[in-house]
Parts: sequence; structure tokens; C-alpha cells
Amino acid sequence: GAGVSQTPSNKVTEKGKYVELRCDPISGHTALYWYRQSLGQGPEFLIYFQGTGAADDSGLPNDRFFAVRPEGSVSTLKIQRTERGDSAVYLCASSLTPTGAETQYFGPGTRLLVL
Amino acid sequence: AQSVSQHNHHVILSEAASLELGCNYSYGGTVNLFWYVQYPGQHLQLLLKYFSGDPLVKGIKGFEAEFIKSKFSFNLRKPSVQWSDTAEYFCAVNFMGNDMRFGAGTRLTVKP
Repeated sequence: GAGVSQTPSNKVTEKGKYVELRCDPISGHTALYWYRQSLGQGPEFLIYFQGTGAADDSGLPNDRFFAVRPEGSVSTLKIQRTERGDSAVYLCASSLTPTGAETQYFGPGTRLLVL
Repeated sequence: AQSVSQHNHHVILSEAASLELGCNYSYGGTVNLFWYVQYPGQHLQLLLKYFSGDPLVKGIKGFEAEFIKSKFSFNLRKPSVQWSDTAEYFCAVNFMGNDMRFGAGTRLTVKP
């Protein structure tokens, strides 16, 4: 497909478990972003990659959250010891370049529910 | 701190009514401004954006927005809404970094 894809679309887990969320950006896009959207809120920035490196991870809430993009394409957001407060929709976006004026193209999101 | 405010949480209009959704941000420097829309069951997509030039920006589906620097505003407008415009609208600002800050969103319901 031509758009950003995310898997799984839904994830239910128990408190304390580990989860991985995957993002497959648009081919050729060098910049990749992760956001978290809680109910009734706009997306909240988590981390941004330029190529393989995390250029800005200032939005990660704590050290339970980690993301990788080892080959500069697919990215995985990893959450350790999940808490109920981590329940949200996790959005991934990509853009052709990382300049601020570039349009970010969003995926459908992964809805995470921590019981 | 840099922030983005959307004034209305839920707006209800009848078809053919005019629309204006407010967006303000707090930052005195250069910004890039965006409006994204999320239709029911779909993912976020770009409506329009401003980064330089004419402060009146035209986007898809008849939407436009005006950047007023002195008011730190980027309000979204449409002269005549349609039922198909029912969606959630998000204002977003790039404060010249690489992260985007979003407003809380405005849910628009258009009654047929």
C-alpha cells in the first residue's frame, strides 16, 4: 500500500506486560514520528527519527518507553511494564524530509488497552 | 511553554452554514501551521498548511485558514459546510523544531 501502516490495530494486554507496536512508513520517507493520543486529546509527540537515529526523544514519558528504527524504515515502539495509564491510541507518521514545513502522513494507529 | 489552543470542543451546524474554528498558539518565533482532519473511522489527513508567503491558505474541500501573526492565530474557515464535513479537526504547530504540537481538537457535527 501507499500509506503508513501500523500493526496491530488493537492490542489488549495486562498491567506489567511488555508490548511492541510496529510502524511501516511510506517508502522513501526519511523522517518517522510517534505520537500518543488519549481520549478527548490531540496527538502528543513522543519521538522522532531521522533515518536510523532518534533525533528527538524528548516526548517519551519515562524510561519504560523505547523506540527503534534499525534499518531506517520500519520502526517499533516498545513499552515495558505497561500501566493502565498507557492506554491510548499510538499514532505513527512519516514525512519525506524532517523539515518542519513537511506534511506528516499518519497511519491508522494502534489502540492499546492495558487492563 | 509552547502550546496550541482550540477554542471549541464541539460545534454543531446545519448544512450550508458557515464555519470558523479557532486556533491560537503561544510562541513568538517562526512557526509552521497545519490543520488536520479525522473523518469517522479514518486516520488523520492534512487539510492545509502554512509555512511562508500569503497568510491566507487554501486547502482541500473548500477549506481555508488565515495566519494572523499579531494574534498568534490560525483559524480555519469554510463558507458553506456539508454533511460530509462531519469530523474532528486538529490544529497543529511546528515550533521550528521537529516535533509537532497539536490542539485538543474540535468535533464538528453537520446536520443534514
